[in-house]
Amino acid sequence: NAGVTQTPKFQVLKTGQSMTLQCAQDMNHNSMYWYRQDPGMGLRLIYYSASEGTTDKGEVPNGYNVSRLNKREFSLRLESAAPSQTSVYFCASSGHGQGAREQYFGPGTRLTVT
Amino acid sequence: GDSVTQMEGPVTLSEEAFLTINCTYTATGYPSLFWYVQYPGEGLQLLLKATKADDKGSNKGFEATYRKETTSFHLEKGSVQVSDSAVYFCALHGGATNKLIFGTGTLLAVQP
Repeated sequence: NAGVTQTPKFQVLKTGQSMTLQCAQDMNHNSMYWYRQDPGMGLRLIYYSASEGTTDKGEVPNGYNVSRLNKREFSLRLESAAPSQTSVYFCASSGHGQGAREQYFGPGTRLTVT
Repeated sequence: GDSVTQMEGPVTLSEEAFLTINCTYTATGYPSLFWYVQYPGEGLQLLLKATKADDKGSNKGFEATYRKETTSFHLEKGSVQVSDSAVYFCALHGGATNKLIFGTGTLLAVQP
């Protein structure tokens, strides 16, 4: 039982390049989330998916797109990377009912845009 | 909207000292409250939670009590260890939105 996995762990991009961050969970959770973590700002929600087939914007969606590929997988795409997107990105998932309030996090992807 | 405010760090303590990290919240409805811990280079892990007023969450020697009258959820530990060095995040899951709202995190450094 791996929980939430993310790939890659590290990435360096040049301004304007694109990339996709991958996330998968094996806990049969309905909901999945993408956050970014910046110094002094805590975690900010980029996008989330309440269930397979649905996605919604979070607090800071500009410059990102997401795909909920199936119940297990939720990817985050940067179409044209900018230095302001240098951050640590975390994927998380949560179940249903009262358990929907607890989120389980992946190990993160550390992205640098030069 | 819903929000969480926690004390700024870093908090530097000697081993076996008493720890308090303050957290207060603003929320409509009846939120659930959480403390998450992030060890260096890792993702966030759920440390403890409380789902209603007066509940006490506890884990690994850490405790926090959900105080509705003071809208607080302060994290405490009686005797910290070097291995407790990490960033601690207070968070709420509100009734108004189906999202976790995080504080900015508090870095704890425990010295031997």
